[in-house]
Formats: sequence, structure tokens, C-alpha cells
Amino acid sequence: AQSVTQLDSQVPVFEEAPVELRCNYSSSVSVYLFWYVQYPNQGLQLLLKYLSGSTLVKGINGFEAEFNKSQTSFHLRKPSVHISDTAEYFCAVSDRNRGSTLGRLYFGRGTQLTVWP
Amino acid sequence: DAGITQSPRYKITETGRQVTLMCHQTWSHSYMFWYRQDLGHGLRLIYYSAAADITDKGEVPDGYVVSRSKTENFPLTLESATRSQTSVYFCASSGIGHLNTEAFFGQGTRLTVV
Repeated sequence: AQSVTQLDSQVPVFEEAPVELRCNYSSSVSVYLFWYVQYPNQGLQLLLKYLSGSTLVKGINGFEAEFNKSQTSFHLRKPSVHISDTAEYFCAVSDRNRGSTLGRLYFGRGTQLTVWP
Repeated sequence: DAGITQSPRYKITETGRQVTLMCHQTWSHSYMFWYRQDLGHGLRLIYYSAAADITDKGEVPDGYVVSRSKTENFPLTLESATRSQTSVYFCASSGIGHLNTEAFFGQGTRLTVV
């Protein structure tokens, strides 16, 4: 089974500052990697995903993440945050299954990003 | 409407009662999942299903029952609700094959057991 560690439970930043949300996972086998965002009282929305290829992945709302296989990390970054980015962010990992491309997702505990004016 | 829908959105029930949370998806996705979200724990998998009539336990299956007689529906039943099952429950679905690499989530059901 996979283990996903989000190193910060809360990240407060000021508007227009850069932000990095950290994620590490346990397995060195082939995996798919995801970042989801959850706004208050809503479900999870996919921000971006890494399947293969370029290690730098760009997502919606100006977010990007870098896959680092040697460090088993998939940190999420944004160069300039907005107040509307305030939300909870979840890193997730899925093993690649034979016969299907997406197995069960293993989630981290989440990072609450709060952007202050 | 296309997508994945959960019902009810909010539910209050008493300890010991049976309650069923519904999940319906319109994409004919093979995989469906039930997660619970609790503060400090993130999302934990309760049960999942790879196809109709095929289900399997996740990390925290105790006290829950699932069925999947039709591809589009995946109800979750709490046989005898306990206060520890107070949580937000999310249903998700995903397809199989090379082009299906994303899980789609419902809006969640907030369940309170009193």
C-alpha cells in the first residue's frame, strides 16, 4: 500500500506571494500522482496530474507541480497566489494496475492554504 | 444531468439506525469508490468496486456495507450507525483504459450521528 505525506497541515501566505505545498509518497514503483483542491463545502476538483513524460506538470489556476522520482516527491507550486486560492489541497497517489490505468487513490491528510490580503 | 451525484447532501441520524448513502454516475465508469473525510485524516477509502457485482474493502470498511447491482449506482449502507461514523462521505468514479486517468468526485454527504 502507498503512503502519502503532506508535510504541512497549514500554510498561511499573503496575496501575491509564492507558495509551495509539499508532498512525498512511499513507493518507488510506477505511480500516477495527483493534486486535488477542495473549496469549502464542495467536493474535490482535480488541479493537475502526472502520468508520464515531462516531470513538470501544469494545471489549472496557474498551479504547477514537479515530479521527482529520486526523492519520491510531487510538490505543488504557484508563483503568485490569490485570495481565491484559499482552500484545502490534497496530494494523491495511485499505483499503475495491469489492465487499467487508474487503481485506488491514496490520499495525504491535506494542506489548508490560507491567503491573506 | 451528467456527472456523479450523491444523496442526500446532509443527514442526521440516531445511533443504531441503518442509513444508506446513495451515489449515481452517468459516465458508465467501471470503478467506483467511497471515501470518508475526517479532520486530520484526509480521505480514507471505505470500499471500492471494479465493476457491477465486484466490490472490495478499503482501509476502513468496518461497519459499512456496499452493493453494486448496476454499473451506475454504488450505495453505501451503515448497518447500525455509531457516533464515530459522523463524517463527510465522498463517492468517486473512474474509467479504465489509457484515456481514463482521473477520478471524479461527488459533492459529498455530511452525515451526523447523534
